[in-house]
Amino acid sequence: NAGVTQTPKFQVLKTGQSMTLQCAQDMNHNSMYWYRQDPGMGLRLIYYSASEGTTDKGEVPNGYNVSRLNKREFSLRLESAAPSQTSVYFCASTGLAGEWNEQFFGPGTRLTVL
Amino acid sequence: AQSVTQPDIHITVSEGASLELRCNYSYGATPYLFWYVQSPGQGLQLLLKYFSGDTLVQGIKGFEAEFKRSQSSFNLRKPSVHWSDAAEYFCAVGVSGGYQKVTFGIGTKLQVIP
Repeated sequence: NAGVTQTPKFQVLKTGQSMTLQCAQDMNHNSMYWYRQDPGMGLRLIYYSASEGTTDKGEVPNGYNVSRLNKREFSLRLESAAPSQTSVYFCASTGLAGEWNEQFFGPGTRLTVL
Repeated sequence: AQSVTQPDIHITVSEGASLELRCNYSYGATPYLFWYVQSPGQGLQLLLKYFSGDTLVQGIKGFEAEFKRSQSSFNLRKPSVHWSDAAEYFCAVGVSGGYQKVTFGIGTKLQVIP
């Protein structure tokens, strides 16, 4: 059981470049999330997918798009990267719809935008 | 909307000393409460959670937390700190409403000195 996996682990982009962060979980979880972590700000929700086929904006969605490719995979895309998007990005998943449980986190992607 | 306050950004304790990390939340009803730990360069790992029932919750690595409704607090404690406990600790509050919305505090960084 790998849990939640994220690729890549590190990435450096130039302003205006695009990229996609990949996330996959093997726990048969329904809900998946993308957060960004910045010093002094904790984790902030970018987008979430409550179940396969649905996605919704979180607290800080501007500049990002997401795709819930299937139940396992949830990707985050930066269409035109900006220095303000320099951050650590975490993907998380949680279990059955309507049943509360903790979120399981991936190891993170450290993104620098120059 | 719910919120979480972790008033101590940085705490230093001696190895073997006791530890208490503070967490206050704001929410109209009883929330779901979590403590996560993040080691440097790693993702978040759940330490413990409170959903209902006994207000004193035991977690992994010898940690416990107590839910006090009257004080809107969920403080994390450990009787004797080990050097390996040095990490960042996040309190989080979850509420239901279409999806499992979790709001994180800004974190408390724990330093352990010999």
